[in-house]
Amino acid sequence: GDSVTQMEGPVTLSEEAFLTINCTYTATGYPSLFWYVQYPGEGLQLLLKATKADDKGSNKGFEATYRKETTSFHLEKGSVQVSDSAVYFCALNEIQGAQKLVFGQGTRLTINP
Amino acid sequence: DGGITQSPKYLFRKEGQNVTLSCEQNLNHDAMYWYRQDPGQGLRLIYYSHIVNDFQKGDIAEGYSVSREKKESFPLTVTSAQKNPTAFYLCASSIHGGGNTGELFFGEGSRLTVL
Repeated sequence: GDSVTQMEGPVTLSEEAFLTINCTYTATGYPSLFWYVQYPGEGLQLLLKATKADDKGSNKGFEATYRKETTSFHLEKGSVQVSDSAVYFCALNEIQGAQKLVFGQGTRLTINP
Repeated sequence: DGGITQSPKYLFRKEGQNVTLSCEQNLNHDAMYWYRQDPGQGLRLIYYSHIVNDFQKGDIAEGYSVSREKKESFPLTVTSAQKNPTAFYLCASSIHGGGNTGELFFGEGSRLTVL
């Protein structure tokens, strides 16, 4: 079945550092790709998405580009803030059969002041 | 405000007891989902429902049951047959089942601890 593999965490950075969280996927067909964010004690929120190859999703300074040739959707931000500390999940939606989201294992990000 | 409400936020259960987690949405979404979250394992799909009175097993349905009698409600029962029920449970909804937008809206979760 379809799967998502994320960069192992936890990741700790200093404020204003550059962030990359790697995400690669295996899928049948051409799924939509997503990044969700989970702040402590809360549910998940959609951060950004891309629905076709070469699309770039962006939100709150975060960006990710749908790369079909490398089956990747890496999350980047040029200058992180303490408030970005959270768990980040990469996900895809299965095209075959019923629509379901398949999630990666999550990457915990901590930003130190 | 529109959204998804899960209750209770925290729940403790003795071994051998069934427990039901509530999930209500007022977004008028057709599809609803239950996920289980364990540390380091991401989210795993338990059950989903794309329409009232119909639901499907996800990847880890054993030991769980659901119902979908109303569009806005999708309760999850964790039965005594679930061998390792301690986890964080997340309910979600989407506008439609099927299609490829895939955007889910999540509740704030219910943390179940078995004593």
